[in-house]
Parts: sequence; structure tokens; C-alpha cells
Amino acid sequence: ETGVTQSPTHLIKTRGQQVTLRCSSQSGHNTVSWYQQALGQGPQFIFQYYREEENGRGNFPPRFSGLQFPNYSSELNVNALELDDSALYLCASSNRDLSSYEQYFGPGTRLTVT
Amino acid sequence: AQSVSQHNHHVILSEAASLELGCNYSYGGTVNLFWYVQYPGQHLQLLLKYFSGDPLVKGIKGFEAEFIKSKFSFNLRKPSVQWSDTAEYFCAVNARPDKLIFGTGTRLQVFP
Repeated sequence: ETGVTQSPTHLIKTRGQQVTLRCSSQSGHNTVSWYQQALGQGPQFIFQYYREEENGRGNFPPRFSGLQFPNYSSELNVNALELDDSALYLCASSNRDLSSYEQYFGPGTRLTVT
Repeated sequence: AQSVSQHNHHVILSEAASLELGCNYSYGGTVNLFWYVQYPGQHLQLLLKYFSGDPLVKGIKGFEAEFIKSKFSFNLRKPSVQWSDTAEYFCAVNARPDKLIFGTGTRLQVFP
């Protein structure tokens, strides 16, 4: 069983630029959730995709957007990057058709905005 | 709004000491509760979970947690910690299938 993978591992961008982060979900999972983890904080929910539709969103502005593909992999896009967007971005996959609600996390992408 | 509080931000213990990390949540309805662990350089891993039934749940590596509904608490315990337990521990709750709400984490350092 393949775990959750994310790419790239690290990324450095300049304020105002746009970035795309990628996530491959675990085999058998149909749901991907994205979280932002700032230094010294717990992960904060950005949004979730279930069967290619956005299904729940946290308190993040519209410049944070995403996609889910038919193979259930997902992208997180952030436009007009700000310095405060520097964080570890975590992807978690799960199977929302089950009642367990367990989410399995990937290693994360460390984004630095300068 | 739902929230999770972890009272211990940094805990330092010697090996073989007992551990208890506090976690309180605010939500009046039915919740699912989790403890995740993040070892240095590794990704978040599920330590244990509570959905229903026996309020004392056992997880991996000798950890357990007790759900006390009247106190809105889900404290993590281990009778005897090891150096390899050095990590960051996160309590999380979800009342909907779409999101986990995490606490700010507790950094545990165990010295030999």
C-alpha cells in the first residue's frame, strides 16, 4: 500500500508569485485535505476535496485554491504569495465513504516566501 | 467555534518517567478525537483515536488516552517514556468528516 506523497519537498518563492503544490493520495482513498502548519503551531485546515469537488473550507482567502483529479491526487495553488504564507503544507488522504474519518498525512512541502 | 487546547507546550522528562499530556476541546456535539505524533524529520502519524465505546483507548507504542466527556478532555498517557518518544504531540478533534482541528502541539523531550 503506497502512502501519501507530496512534491516538492522544499520551495522558495518571492512575494507576489504563485505556487502549486502536489499530493498523491494513498491507494483506496478518495478524499484529500490540505493543512497549513506555521512554525510552532498545529496544522490549520485549508480545504478538502472529495470526488473532485471542494467539500469544506477553512478560514483561508480565495487565493488559496485547489483541484482534485480523477485518480484522487490533488493540487494546492496559492496566488499572490505573502510572507505569512511561509509554512509547512500538509496533505492528508482518507476515504470519506468509511465512517472512520482517519486521515493519513504526507511528509509536507516546506514553502518559504521571501 | 470548535477549538482544541493543549496546556503543556514543552515537557522535559527523564527516561522511565510517566507522561500525561493534557487536551481539552470545545464542542457540544459528538466528536471524534485523535492524538498524532510527529517525530523529528518525519510526517504526522496517528497515535490513537476515539470514536465511541470504551473511553480508555490504547494506541501504538504503549500510549493510551482517556476520553472524559464531562470535562471535554482527552489526555494522553504513557507509564514509562523512552528516549525514542521525543517528538511533537498533537491532539485533534473532528465533528465533521471534512476537517481536523488541531491543538498547538506539545513538544516532548526525553533524556536518557
